[in-house]
Amino acid sequence: AQTVTQSQPEMSVQEAETVTLSCTYDTSENNYYLFWYKQPPSRQMILVIRQEAYKQQNATENRFSVNFQKAAKSFSLKISDSQLGDTAMYFCAFMKHEAASKLTFGTGTRLQVTL
Amino acid sequence: GAGVSQSPSNKVTEKGKDVELRCDPISGHTALYWYRQSLGQGLEFLIYFQGNSAPDKSGLPSDRFSAERTGGSVSTLTIQRTQQEDSAVYLCASSLNRVTTGELFFGEGSRLTVL
Repeated sequence: AQTVTQSQPEMSVQEAETVTLSCTYDTSENNYYLFWYKQPPSRQMILVIRQEAYKQQNATENRFSVNFQKAAKSFSLKISDSQLGDTAMYFCAFMKHEAASKLTFGTGTRLQVTL
Repeated sequence: GAGVSQSPSNKVTEKGKDVELRCDPISGHTALYWYRQSLGQGLEFLIYFQGNSAPDKSGLPSDRFSAERTGGSVSTLTIQRTQQEDSAVYLCASSLNRVTTGELFFGEGSRLTVL
């Protein structure tokens, strides 16, 4: 079974600063996907960024980038130039690369962006 | 529809009553997932549908929980004889492809409170 661990229950960052959210996972699979999802107060989960395990290059999406360390089973999210709208819960998730698979989520990190 | 629609948005019920939660996925999405999010917790997988069949229902916590999907579209999650520990937000998600790349589109959830 796969497990996903987010060790930071809460984080705070000032507007325009950079923050890094940590995620580690445990799996015996070699081929899989990793994700960061954002959940604002509206409750609707939104995909922030996706990483395929076989790709060595770290994924980036505008102000969001990841540091994927496959050997260490680490997958951190860096948010640059933080904005007030980034305030949300952030969930790290894992999915095996197979036809019928579910996402396994971590417990989340609550990020507060302050003025 | 334009997005995943869930109803009711909020439901308060008395212990021992049955409840039905509905999910209307994005049109054309063949995969549908139910997750449960308890207060302060991550997302707990409940069941996955591909079309009308459920290849993975390993997350259903007890036989009081059941789900069905008809016409490859709308899904209903039923909880019989509700208990206080069933109180949570129930999230539905859908995705386009069977061999998914992992992007799940979530609804805003149904918050269930069992008194």
